Amino acid sequence: EAGVAQSPRYKIIEKRQSVAFWCNPISGHATLYWYQQILGQGPKLLIQFQNNGVVDDSQLPKDRFSAERLKGVDSTLKIQPAKLEDSAVYLCASSAVWRAVSGKDTQYFGPGTRLTVL
Amino acid sequence: KQEVTQIPAALSVPEGENLVLNCSFTDSAIYNLQWFRQDPGKGLTSLLLIQSSQREQTSGRLNASLDKSSGRSTLYIAASQPGDSATYLCAVRHTNAGKSTFGDGTTLTVKP
Repeated sequence: EAGVAQSPRYKIIEKRQSVAFWCNPISGHATLYWYQQILGQGPKLLIQFQNNGVVDDSQLPKDRFSAERLKGVDSTLKIQPAKLEDSAVYLCASSAVWRAVSGKDTQYFGPGTRLTVL
Repeated sequence: KQEVTQIPAALSVPEGENLVLNCSFTDSAIYNLQWFRQDPGKGLTSLLLIQSSQREQTSGRLNASLDKSSGRSTLYIAASQPGDSATYLCAVRHTNAGKSTFGDGTTLTVKP
């Protein structure tokens, strides 16, 4: 079974530029998550999708971050314009369901995209 | 607001030692707690998930315990190996349909 795919793996941009990340979840997984992980910290949830609808985006800085999940499969996360403090690893994860039922909410993580903002 | 703390932030042990990693949380009203492993430059891998009604879970050399009343969980690793070197994170899920709050992790180094 293929895992969660993310691209690019690394990205370096200057502040005020825009950037986009792509995620392809495990086939058949209805729930998709985007996390931001700053160096030395645990992941922080940015947005959670159930199919192509948003379940939780309470921690997404909506003035500069946006995300979409077209057709309930692939997802893109965009930052425009980027700030220095956006330097982090952006992790995508997917799970079969979003409710914690019989462990089926176990999240499978992709390798992440490391963003450096100069 | 739920806060999850992992102590120590880093740990170095010689190969073969048994060790315990700690995770504490401020709100005991949790749905489940999960332990993850993160290797450098990679994503997270789920190790063990404990439901709120359970006291412990075991997988191979790993044993995770949960004490909701005291807001604590421990991950016990038996007979540590250099391949166990990684960052270990715990995540607390608040409700059936809620999001998880992660700790900042403990970075473990097992020396040959």
